[in-house]
Order: sequence, then C-alpha cells, then structure tokens
Amino acid sequence: DIQMTQSPSSVSASVGDRVTITCRASQGISRWLAWYQQKPGKAPKLLIYVASTLQSGVPSRFGGSGSGTDFTLTISSLQPEDFATYYCQQANSFPHTFGQGTRLEIK
Amino acid sequence: EVQLLESGGDLVQPGGSLRLSCAASGFTFSSYAMGWVRQAPGKGLEWVSTVSSSGFSTDYADSVKGRFTISRDNSKNTLYLEMNSLRADDTAVYYCTKDESGLSWDYWGQGTLVTVSS
Repeated sequence: DIQMTQSPSSVSASVGDRVTITCRASQGISRWLAWYQQKPGKAPKLLIYVASTLQSGVPSRFGGSGSGTDFTLTISSLQPEDFATYYCQQANSFPHTFGQGTRLEIK
Repeated sequence: EVQLLESGGDLVQPGGSLRLSCAASGFTFSSYAMGWVRQAPGKGLEWVSTVSSSGFSTDYADSVKGRFTISRDNSKNTLYLEMNSLRADDTAVYYCTKDESGLSWDYWGQGTLVTVSS
C-alpha cells in the first residue's frame, strides 16, 4: 500500500498569512493526488485534484503543486473560513490512502 | 444539485450486521463509480470501498475485505454497504462519495454514524 505522510500535523497561523502543507507519498503516484478540507462535524470538501486542478467553486487563494512523491497545498492569504483540517489522498492505486491530516488553527 | 443522502447507521453489537444506503440525486448515477469512506471518532479519513459504475467491479480496504460488500442499484440511484461481523474498530461515520473518474471524490454525503458496542 502507498503511505501518505503530511507535514506539519498542525499549524497555527493568522488571517492573511501564507500557509503551505506538504504531502509525501511512499512511492511515485504521478500527479494522482487530491486535497480535501474538512471542518468540524462536516463532510470533507474537495479542493484540488490531479495535484493542481482547482475544483469548481474553490477560491483561487488555494493552490496545489507537485508530482511523483512530493506535493504541496498552499493557501496564499488565509481567510477566517480556511481554519480547518486538510487531507491529501492518492488516487494512483487501490487502496486510495489518505494522509493523516493537517489541522490549521488560528494563532 | 448533487445530493447524497446516507441512512442506516445505528448502534450494533460486536459480531452483528448492518446495511447502509445512500440515495443519490442530481447527476446520472449510473455513469459514475461510487464509494464509501469512513472516519472513526477524532481520527482521520479511511477509504473503505469503491464500486464501478456498472456494479461489476469492486475494491475493498484490507480492514473490511471479506466482511463488507458494496453494491448499487442503478434503477433506484442507490448505493449500499452491507457490513457483517462488525467489530469495535468499525465504529465511525460512514460517508457516501461520488467518484470523479477515479481522480477524486467530488461529492460527499453528510455521513451516517455506525457504533459497534455491547
């Protein structure tokens, strides 16, 4: 199975900050990576797929990059509604594993 | 508007069985693979199973293989997850998901809680 490792596990930041979350795959997954946002008590929401394609309706301050084993999610200017937990997920092969999550908290 | 509405979650004893359903609307159900993802209390996301658009092809996480069965009824726009031999570590919110061409899950239901406890 492909293991997905996110870092950091948690991060504190302020409104307006630029934040980067990384996701590393245990083996190459080309660009078959998605990012999700989850708020407490809610279902996850798709942000980005195929590493860098923004899902319809997602603000342009979210961006994704990477290929192979190393990927990043960047939020260019944090807004109050962005404080949540973020997960990466590989879609290269079954089982479609997730990272452990990165909790983004208000500083 | 795409909607996925799960039902069937409940409190069940270890070793028991449960069937989850997911009623889909707002898209051509028979054209998309569908799946289940679960989240144990306070934990991360875990993919459980995926079924192809036709229903003929299925995949399972090792943790549920042999105990869970995913299926679908395209005439009823409904996805199912039959869960047998339930264990305490199956306790989780189970989400129904729409698979966007194998690239990601672009729509999620609100989730249904399964609690396995005596």
